[in-house]
Amino acid sequence: GAVVSQHPSRVICKSGTSVKIECRSLDFQATTMFWYRQFPKQSLMLMATSNEGSKATYEQGVEKDKFLINHASLTLSTLTVTSAHPEDSSFYICSAVGAGPKPQHFGDGTRLSIL
Amino acid sequence: DAKTTQPPSMDCAEGRAANLPCNHSTISGNEYVYWYRQIHSQGPQYIIHGLKNNETNEMASLIITEDRKSSTLILPHATLRDTAVYYCIVRAGQGGKLIFGQGTELSVKP
Repeated sequence: GAVVSQHPSRVICKSGTSVKIECRSLDFQATTMFWYRQFPKQSLMLMATSNEGSKATYEQGVEKDKFLINHASLTLSTLTVTSAHPEDSSFYICSAVGAGPKPQHFGDGTRLSIL
Repeated sequence: DAKTTQPPSMDCAEGRAANLPCNHSTISGNEYVYWYRQIHSQGPQYIIHGLKNNETNEMASLIITEDRKSSTLILPHATLRDTAVYYCIVRAGQGGKLIFGQGTELSVKP
């Protein structure tokens, strides 16, 4: 089946650091990738939608200058949390979907902890 | 996208069928019903989806009512590893975003 790989799985860093998370579709071309954030005991919250070669579309309330998204190829999207602070600590999850009426497939998530 | 309503939690005995209901009374004609589940600290896993016909795969069966206003996900023989939060989501078929609700927390007990 479709596989989405997310890296790193866990990162701990100091406040003020920028952190980059990678999301790769391993066996299909992802025309669209999505980034979600999940706080403890809450559901997934969509942050942004990215299409290959174009700017990401951010959900209301998500700062585009804080969460930089790049979708440079059909198999790779990156999320960079710039100048991260403790309140950015969360579980970040990506998903990818190919062309046509197919389901999205999710990565295993990145647990980000900002000290 | 249409919203869905699910019970917050359910229990099921190991080996028995787990029937998870979902209400989507405002679903549009071009919207599919998708089911995902999330085991603790992992990304969501795709289970099954359907438009109006019942669907079955190696993981589960999806029963959609004739008026499409509700559906039921059936895990025929639940195991302890099926303990997870199950999300029912409706979405237009072609690449639309998934909006997650609170889901149903299924606990399979020995």
